[in-house]
Amino acid sequence: DADVTQTPRNRITKTGKRIMLECSQTKGHDRMYWYRQDPGLGLRLIYYSFDVKDINKGEISDGYSVSRQAQAKFSLSLESAIPNQTALYFCATDRGVYNEQFFGPGTRLTVL
Amino acid sequence: AQSVTQPDIHITVSEGASLELRCNYSYGATPYLFWYVQSPGQGLQLLLKYFSGDTLVQGIKGFEAEFKRSQSSFNLRKPSVHWSDAAEYFCATQGGSEKLVFGKGTKLTVNP
Repeated sequence: DADVTQTPRNRITKTGKRIMLECSQTKGHDRMYWYRQDPGLGLRLIYYSFDVKDINKGEISDGYSVSRQAQAKFSLSLESAIPNQTALYFCATDRGVYNEQFFGPGTRLTVL
Repeated sequence: AQSVTQPDIHITVSEGASLELRCNYSYGATPYLFWYVQSPGQGLQLLLKYFSGDTLVQGIKGFEAEFKRSQSSFNLRKPSVHWSDAAEYFCATQGGSEKLVFGKGTKLTVNP
């Protein structure tokens, strides 16, 4: 089984809809991250959490919110989706600074 | 703030040829540097990392990278490319921040 799972893998939605992307990990790590990937822009950090009670904004948090339900679960929400949020979203986890980040397979989100 | 630049957006090589992907970093002190690979439809996987010590680091899948402080570079190399190496490659750094900062990526195409 994969160490980091994301659901759904693909989602098409309409402008204005609320969307939740979910991430679960079995690595036992405290630190979790949400990234967005757009062609030619690399990965940009949306939100990160270093433990269950810690939530931090990344460089592009506007229009997004997160919830850390447990050590193993970190969800990303788009309260009112807009077309420029169409992208590939990745969840990742690591056990501390300067350690390898383990990535989920990604969620491809299309907002019409 | 730390940053990395990958000057080449897209590189095409023939199978069996050598490969070098460029990465330049910007950070005053010794940075922590990583190379990740993203195969089509998958998440990112760590190839190798540099923290200190020997400036030539070996990674998985036959890749290596050399840290050159004088050139602010951490280029990725492979002596003989295989068709399965076709992917997108990301250089990343954690230089003084607990967050990973990615370059915009280099897409590698391998011709038969």
